[in-house]
Amino acid sequence: TQLLEQSPQFLSIQEGENLTVYCNSSSVFSSLQWYRQEPGEGPVLLVTVVTGGEVKKLKRLTFQFGDARKDSSLHITAAQPGDTGLYLCAVPNAGNNRKLIWGLGTSLAVNP
Amino acid sequence: KAGVTQTPRYLIKTRGQQVTLSCSPISGHRSVSWYQQTPGQGLQFLFEYFSETQRNKGNFPGRFSGRQFSNSRSEMNVSTLELGDSALYLCASSVQGAASGYTFGSGTRLTVV
Repeated sequence: TQLLEQSPQFLSIQEGENLTVYCNSSSVFSSLQWYRQEPGEGPVLLVTVVTGGEVKKLKRLTFQFGDARKDSSLHITAAQPGDTGLYLCAVPNAGNNRKLIWGLGTSLAVNP
Repeated sequence: KAGVTQTPRYLIKTRGQQVTLSCSPISGHRSVSWYQQTPGQGLQFLFEYFSETQRNKGNFPGRFSGRQFSNSRSEMNVSTLELGDSALYLCASSVQGAASGYTFGSGTRLTVV
């Protein structure tokens, strides 16, 4: 059983559409990180959210940490082909925060 | 500043052989972590080194080992390769470990045949 459940697993949309992907768990986290990974490359850190209810924006990307710090969402406005990639959420391991626990990711394809 | 450098990018090995992967972290980063990524399991933690000491180890067999040098460069070794070891091996560099966020290298794609 995955500690972090990401949904949807796959998403294929047209350029200009909006979308939201989710990262859910039954556990409470001290913080949560979002990464994007392009084919053949390592993940790139997008944002870290720490406070329950926190909202962070990165250009057309909006990240929200749930009030109870158990879940997070990533909303993309007017998606572009450059947004294509695997979106991963990760949290510090509760017993030992020197490693991250990862979701399996949402694979996003934005078609021109 | 230079990013995280992993070599080689691609590797094909035969079952039973051993392999050594290399990682040079960002200058000033003393923490280097290694992850294995496969489609079915996602990213799984292998180990972390900080100032030449292994701080943390994941649930992998003893065939997987690593080390860190005084210049923070790190290597991981896999002995007696199995087909199931085929994966993308990622090195992550950070100032103080996972909670502060990682900078990843491009990875080494290992294929065991």
